[in-house]
Amino acid sequence: DAEITQSPRHKITETGRQVTLACHQTWNHNNMFWYRQDLGHGLRLIHYSYGVQDTNKGEVSDGYSVSRSNTEDLPLTLESAASSQTSVYFCASSETPESGELFFGEGSRLTVL
Amino acid sequence: GQNIDQPTEMTATEGAIVQINCTYQTSGFNGLFWYQQHAGEAPTFLSYNVLDGLEEKGRFSSFLSRSKGYSYLLLKELQMKDSASYLCAVMDSNYQLIWGAGTKLIIKP
Repeated sequence: DAEITQSPRHKITETGRQVTLACHQTWNHNNMFWYRQDLGHGLRLIHYSYGVQDTNKGEVSDGYSVSRSNTEDLPLTLESAASSQTSVYFCASSETPESGELFFGEGSRLTVL
Repeated sequence: GQNIDQPTEMTATEGAIVQINCTYQTSGFNGLFWYQQHAGEAPTFLSYNVLDGLEEKGRFSSFLSRSKGYSYLLLKELQMKDSASYLCAVMDSNYQLIWGAGTKLIIKP
């Protein structure tokens, strides 16, 4: 069965360190997204990609970057982690850019001390 | 600005019916989506409305009124496994999903 997997599932890091969260999907979807989820907020879009070599900034992109070198992977990098980036991060993919039916990974819980 | 409003928390009894409301103000409209999210898990897609009216899917139904900027998710014959958060999301004119903060539904025996 097709799936979308994230790693690590849990990570604790220190302020100022670089962190990369991996996302791998076997749906063969061109469209991939990174969201963060915080208590009291809806899912907020960090970055998204509509295909290889395509990346776009979302609503809360400051301090984050992504790269898309193949269809399957969209790693999210925190260049210099800050305590405000403590959150649960979800990767998702969709069949078309216009589809609101997203397939989510299990989430990565990041704590920045 | 763009805004999605839904109640923070609701409580209902096993076997009963519950209606979770969602109101929205967005730049354009290309569909309204409901997701279910169990604690500690990923959101999963439940339903989609783009035209006014009711869409039924087993025990779950979703209603949309575009003129009122309003939707609801109706859950019938509630089961304990329905305890979860329910997320409302609207796709705007740029085909970006705008998400509500979610409604935590607590089911009591």
